[in-house]
Amino acid sequence: AQKVTQAQTEISVVEKEDVTLDCVYETRDTTYYLFWYKQPPSGELVFLIRRNSFDEQNEISGRYSWNFQKSTSSFNFTITASQVVDSAVYFCALGVYNFNKFYFGSGTKLNVKP
Amino acid sequence: SQTIHQWPATLVQPVGSPLSLECTVEGTSNPNLYWYRQAAGRGLQLLFYSVGIGQISSEVPQNLSASRPQDRQFILSSKKLLLSDSGFYLCAWSYGSTDTQYFGPGTRLTVL
Repeated sequence: AQKVTQAQTEISVVEKEDVTLDCVYETRDTTYYLFWYKQPPSGELVFLIRRNSFDEQNEISGRYSWNFQKSTSSFNFTITASQVVDSAVYFCALGVYNFNKFYFGSGTKLNVKP
Repeated sequence: SQTIHQWPATLVQPVGSPLSLECTVEGTSNPNLYWYRQAAGRGLQLLFYSVGIGQISSEVPQNLSASRPQDRQFILSSKKLLLSDSGFYLCAWSYGSTDTQYFGPGTRLTVL
C-alpha cells in the first residue's frame, strides 16, 4: 500500500528562521516519484519539486532545499531564512507506476511571523 | 505553454440543487485529468481521474459524477447537492500517472 505522512500539522516560526517540513512515505514499488506543492492562501497548488526514486541527490533552489533519503523513506523540505511570503500549506505527494493517481500527505501549515 | 482553467471561481448553491463545474486545459493533448476536493482546513481528496475521453475512474462513492466529453474538458456534476459537498474543488492535469500534476485555480463551493 502507498501512504504519505506529514506528521507536522502546523509550524510557526519567526522570519529569518530556518524550518524543515517532514515527509515520510511508504511504498513497495522500486520506481516512484515524490513531489512537494505549496498552497498559499489563494488556494491554488503550486508545484515545487519532483524527484524520482533513483536520484537521491539533494537539491537546492534558492532558499529551498530537499533531502531525499531512501533508507528512512523520507523526503524533507527545508526553507532557509524563512520569509512571511513562505506562509502556506505545504503538501508532499507520492506517485507510483501503474497507479493513475498521487498519494498526498495531509499537509503542513507553515506560519511565518514578522 | 499549458494553462488550466476552472469556472466558476466561487459558487453558492442551495441544498438539493444541481452542480456543474468545468475544467479545461490548453496547450496539450490527451492529458490525464483529475478532480480533487479540499474541505476547510483539510487535505486533498481525489474524487475522479481520467486517462482519456469517456474514461472516468471514481475514487469515492458519493453523489458526484464526472465526465470528459472532449479531450481537454473535464466536468464535475451533481444532481442534488448536500451540505457536505461544500469545499474547494481543484482540477489538475498531467502527462502521465507519475508526471507532475498541475493544478487550476480552484472553485470554492458553498452549499447552504
